[in-house]
Amino acid sequence: EAGVTQSPRYAVLQEGQAVSFWCDPISGHDTLYWYQQPRDQGPQLLVYFRDEAVIDNSQLPSDRFSAVRPKGTNSTLKIQSAKQGDTATYLCASSLNPRGNTLYFGAGTRLSVL
Amino acid sequence: SQWGEENLQALSIQEGEDVTMNCSYKTYTTVVQWYRQKSGKGPAQLILIRSNEREKRSGRLRATLDTSSQSSSLSITGTLATDTAVYFCATYAGAKLTFGGGTRLTVRP
Repeated sequence: EAGVTQSPRYAVLQEGQAVSFWCDPISGHDTLYWYQQPRDQGPQLLVYFRDEAVIDNSQLPSDRFSAVRPKGTNSTLKIQSAKQGDTATYLCASSLNPRGNTLYFGAGTRLSVL
Repeated sequence: SQWGEENLQALSIQEGEDVTMNCSYKTYTTVVQWYRQKSGKGPAQLILIRSNEREKRSGRLRATLDTSSQSSSLSITGTLATDTAVYFCATYAGAKLTFGGGTRLTVRP
């Protein structure tokens, strides 16, 4: 069984540039999560979907971040105008459903904003 | 915040030693998960423990959960150099899995 796939693995930007992260979850998993993990901290939830619907995006900086999962499979997280404070690893995870189950994580995208 | 300890803690031990990592949480939960994250990888679940279990074992791992003190622990017996990683506990607040600050464990060969 293929795991969660993320791309790119690394991204380096100047402040003000835009970037998109892509995630392909495990087949059959209806719930998809995006986490932000600053260096030396635990992952912090940004947004999660059940199928194509956003269930909770309360921690997503809505003025610059957006996330979509149009067909309930792959997902894209976009930062419109990156800031140095966005420097972190962005992790995608999927699970069978959102109720107390195991999350399966991708390897993440390491973003550096200069 | 869901967690009592937000910052990454660090432990360094010799291969073969036993180690216990602790976490405490603020909001009631019935499930705690422990994840391990190796360098350059995403977290991977090690063990899931429910409130009616109090203790759960998996190979060299042992997790405990005390809902009265809102704390959990993960023990590793006979550590190996390959156990070097960051270990997180995580719990559900509503339907969202939230992570504690974690412990960076270094096992010296």
